[in-house]
Amino acid sequence: QVQLVQSGAEVKEPGASVKVSCQASGYTFTGYYIHWVRQAPGQGLEWMGWINPNSGDTHFAQKFRGRVTMTRDTSISTAYMVLSRLRSDDTAVYYCARVGSIAADIWGQGTMVTVSS
Amino acid sequence: EIVLTQSPGTLSLSPGERATLSCRASQSVSSRYLAWYQQKPGQAPRLLIYGASSRATGIPDRFSGSGSGTDFTLTINRLEPEDFAVYYCQQYDSSPRTFGQGTKLEIK
Repeated sequence: QVQLVQSGAEVKEPGASVKVSCQASGYTFTGYYIHWVRQAPGQGLEWMGWINPNSGDTHFAQKFRGRVTMTRDTSISTAYMVLSRLRSDDTAVYYCARVGSIAADIWGQGTMVTVSS
Repeated sequence: EIVLTQSPGTLSLSPGERATLSCRASQSVSSRYLAWYQQKPGQAPRLLIYGASSRATGIPDRFSGSGSGTDFTLTINRLEPEDFAVYYCQQYDSSPRTFGQGTKLEIK
């Protein structure tokens, strides 16, 4: 079936970087954008940006520019999000989502990233 | 940046009742690019409605969306126990693809 499977939980110290993966299956990986959305504990959803798996083009929310990188490996249908210079307020669940013409119809299970010294 | 304001923040209703959730945008949003999501505790969001009024695959017809311009509504008829959750609207008309702050639908 169509699914996105994300990597496991991470604990990082302030100032470090984290890399979250998102592996797609059941559909043509290059046919849909991958968006990244995060959710701090008890808070709402925050959109971070997208990557076009076909071209590698990316676009980020202004808030994250300079700290976030999104890449992909089409040979294994996997997208990656790297967030650097982590702060305590980056503690959140990070989701990847497939986006076509009908909004984010498939979501990964989420990856908890905890930033703590 | 388009700001989406959802109301009410919390809605307390009983099973069998009708829920009406509002999403107001700070500037006009093309109806083709307004979505609604449901999120239950510990789960990823699930797409309910896209294009303001089209139900996503597998979504029961008790869920309906309407609206245009700056005012959008999600209506849930005959609430079922599994409908009690948090609901978010999102615009994907312009960047950043903002979400509303959410409406919590709780059992009265």
